[in-house]
Amino acid sequence: QQQVKQSPQSLIVQKGGISIINCAYENTAFDYFPWYQQFPGKGPALLIAIRPDVSEKKEGRFTISFNKSAKQFSLHIMDSQPGDSATYFCAASSGTASKLTFGTGTRLQVTL
Amino acid sequence: ETGVTQSPTHLIKTRGQQVTLRCSSQSGHNTVSWYQQALGQGPQFIFQYYREEENGRGNFPPRFSGLQFPNYSSELNVNALELDDSALYLCASSPGGRGTDTQYFGPGTRLTVL
Repeated sequence: QQQVKQSPQSLIVQKGGISIINCAYENTAFDYFPWYQQFPGKGPALLIAIRPDVSEKKEGRFTISFNKSAKQFSLHIMDSQPGDSATYFCAASSGTASKLTFGTGTRLQVTL
Repeated sequence: ETGVTQSPTHLIKTRGQQVTLRCSSQSGHNTVSWYQQALGQGPQFIFQYYREEENGRGNFPPRFSGLQFPNYSSELNVNALELDDSALYLCASSPGGRGTDTQYFGPGTRLTVL
């Protein structure tokens, strides 16, 4: 059973544009929602994370929007740059569980 | 501060063999999690060790086993390798045994089973 659904599978954005990746979860016990960035041949690197007590968190060009009632959260990358081209994974976990449950990933390509 | 390191980087084995993968945690972290990432997929949780004890396990058969040592480094052992075990194996360390702790990933070990 896939507990975190991620879309789109791939995304092409022009330099300077906004990249938006969406995730939806099923388990209402989840209370921690990180986003990871992964470059080819590398392990995932934590980008930004949010807990459900806030609806939005911004760090530089990266923003997470969180909708608890809809059980959805999204990543917005403002002013997208070619260096942002990577695969992005949303994930979720709860304080009582030891594991991260990942989405299937979004391959982002930022073109010049 | 030293990050999470894994060895070896790449490994090729044949079906039926056994393999051991190693992970050194980030300094100060007492929890290690292992994930399997198949090509084009998100990482799947295998298990976690907290202070040398298993602290949660995903949907993987018993031929996947692990150890954590007093210095918090860890091993993942896979017996009776199958073709579907070909994947990137990721180790992640975190400062505590809770699911909401930030997990920091190593670069992974690419295992190919022929």
